[in-house]
Amino acid sequence: RKEVEQDPGPFNVPEGATVAFNCTYSNSASQSFFWYRQDCRKEPKLLMSVYSSGNEDGRFTAQLNRASQYISLLIRDSKLSDSATYLCVGRNFGNEKLTFGTGTRLTIIP
Amino acid sequence: DADVTQTPRNRITKTGKRIMLECSQTKGHDRMYWYRQDPGLGLRLIYYSFDVKDINKGEISDGYSVSRQAQAKFSLSLESAIPNQTALYFCATSASIGSNQPQHFGDGTRLSIL
Repeated sequence: RKEVEQDPGPFNVPEGATVAFNCTYSNSASQSFFWYRQDCRKEPKLLMSVYSSGNEDGRFTAQLNRASQYISLLIRDSKLSDSATYLCVGRNFGNEKLTFGTGTRLTIIP
Repeated sequence: DADVTQTPRNRITKTGKRIMLECSQTKGHDRMYWYRQDPGLGLRLIYYSFDVKDINKGEISDGYSVSRQAQAKFSLSLESAIPNQTALYFCATSASIGSNQPQHFGDGTRLSIL
């Protein structure tokens, strides 16, 4: 079983809709989580860190459920520019290694 | 992110050749990383460094070596390239303060081994 698992998609969503991704992690020692966004053939870019209490940044909301070992990303009022691959990332406490999911591909349809 | 620069951006070479990928950063970060990305496998860590001359193996270090002679530079070498090292390579940096520091990636090097 992969340490961080994501549904690869693709998710094809109409513009303006709300879309949610989940990501599960198997290592209960994972302490820090992030969502990165990666455009085709580009570098991953940090979208947001994920905090235990949940956090929101504009149209994006991230949640962490430690009991069920999953994190989620919610995108409201989706824009064409949201089309990308979204990478779920975990880090174990005291360990420099980030574990990346394989990504969920999102396409926003006009 | 222009603060982390990788060279070359693209490289095509033959099996058995020695290749060096360079990474330089202006972010002042102590920590630097090399990853490779393959379709369906996500990013995998090759090597990382906490400071000058500090070298640590990642999950797939075989066939690679690195050098960190200055804080701002971290180079990755393939001593004798083989076709299954064809991949997209990323360098990343992070600050050392705090446990929740994200990593910042360079633009990537697309490497093809024929």
